[in-house]
Amino acid sequence: NAGVTQTPKFQVLKTGQSMTLQCAQDMNHEYMSWYRQDPGMGLRLIHYSVGAGITDQGEVPNGYNVSRSTTEDFPLRLLSAAPSQTSVYFCASSYSKSRDTQYFGPGTRLTVL
Amino acid sequence: GENVEQHPSTLSVQEGDSAVIKCTYSDSASNYFPWYKQELGKGPQLIIDIRSNVGEKKDQRIAVTLNKTAKHFSLHITETQPEDSAVYFCAAPRRRSSNTGKLIFGQGTTLQVKP
Repeated sequence: NAGVTQTPKFQVLKTGQSMTLQCAQDMNHEYMSWYRQDPGMGLRLIHYSVGAGITDQGEVPNGYNVSRSTTEDFPLRLLSAAPSQTSVYFCASSYSKSRDTQYFGPGTRLTVL
Repeated sequence: GENVEQHPSTLSVQEGDSAVIKCTYSDSASNYFPWYKQELGKGPQLIIDIRSNVGEKKDQRIAVTLNKTAKHFSLHITETQPEDSAVYFCAAPRRRSSNTGKLIFGQGTTLQVKP
């Protein structure tokens, strides 16, 4: 199994541009989530999904959209990038919402100029 | 609100010494406490976890202890080695809402093991 994969690894955007961060897992996990990591603030939950077709907001959802059309994929969309969205983004998955062990992808480092 | 506090934010030890990182949580309904290790340029990896029906769990040089009354849990690393240098995160699940299964993370501890 490849586990949780994320693309791209690095991205530079200009303010106002849009882009999609890709996340996929091949473990047949129901639960997937997106976090952002900023210095001194740990990992903060952006959005999560408990299964295909179901998504919900986390702690810091503003400026981000998600969808879950398949069990495997959980893309994160930035519709109009802002410098405040400069961060490292991690996707994670777990077997189900009641199985708490989460497996993280390698991350995407995003810079918004 | 529900949160997880982690201390210290940085920790420097000599190779061979022990390192202890402590976390406190606010949600008394939390029953699962994982610890993650994040090496430079990589995603967090689960290294050990504990459930609320036990007070201590060991795996070779690492151990986690849980005090449910005081609502804190700690990571203990003995005989530290340079490869233990990383950022460590504790976490606890948020239970008191429909948002079951979500983890709340501590702020992270940067551990440096000096040879």
